[in-house]
Amino acid sequence: GAVVSQHPSWVICKSGTSVKIECRSLDFQATTMFWYRQFPKQSLMLMATSNEGSKATYEQGVEKDKFLINHASLTLSTLTVTSAHPEDSSFYICSARRQGTGELFFGEGSRLTVL
Amino acid sequence: KNEVEQSPQNLTAQEGEFITINCSYSVGISALHWLQQHPGGGIVSLFMLSSGKKKHGRLIATINIQEKHSSLHITASHPRDSAVYICAVRAMDSNYQLIWGAGTKLIIKP
Repeated sequence: GAVVSQHPSWVICKSGTSVKIECRSLDFQATTMFWYRQFPKQSLMLMATSNEGSKATYEQGVEKDKFLINHASLTLSTLTVTSAHPEDSSFYICSARRQGTGELFFGEGSRLTVL
Repeated sequence: KNEVEQSPQNLTAQEGEFITINCSYSVGISALHWLQQHPGGGIVSLFMLSSGKKKHGRLIATINIQEKHSSLHITASHPRDSAVYICAVRAMDSNYQLIWGAGTKLIIKP
């Protein structure tokens, strides 16, 4: 079946540094990728929708300058958390929409801890 | 009121029991997803439904579009089925964005 790979699966960083998380569709092309954030014991929250070759669409309340999203190719989207703070510590998950069928596939998630 | 409601929130059962998790929604949808999230956080897509019923192994998912309701069933439950099960719907006018249920935490005891 189709696979979406997220990397890294976990990362610890110091406050003030930037962290990049990659989301790759390994065996299909994804015209749209979605980035979600999950706080402990809460449901997933959509952060932004990323379309290949165009600017991401951010949900209300999500700072676009803090969470930089790039979707440079049909198989790769990246989320960069800039100047990370402890409150950015969370679980970030991407999903990719398969070109043609519209099926959604999910990455395994990336756990970010900011010290 | 949330647009996607799941019940129960928590469910503990003995190994072998038949499990049902319910999902009700209030918006028009083009598809409904059932997803499984393990303690480590990783998400696996179990089913995508737009009508009727689907079966995969011991898992069965049904949807009633008129009643805006879906159920996920697990037959012959096993401790490895312990996870959070999440219902998510794709609203008709959305760009494949999902509206998420809060999840059902399932624990199967041996």
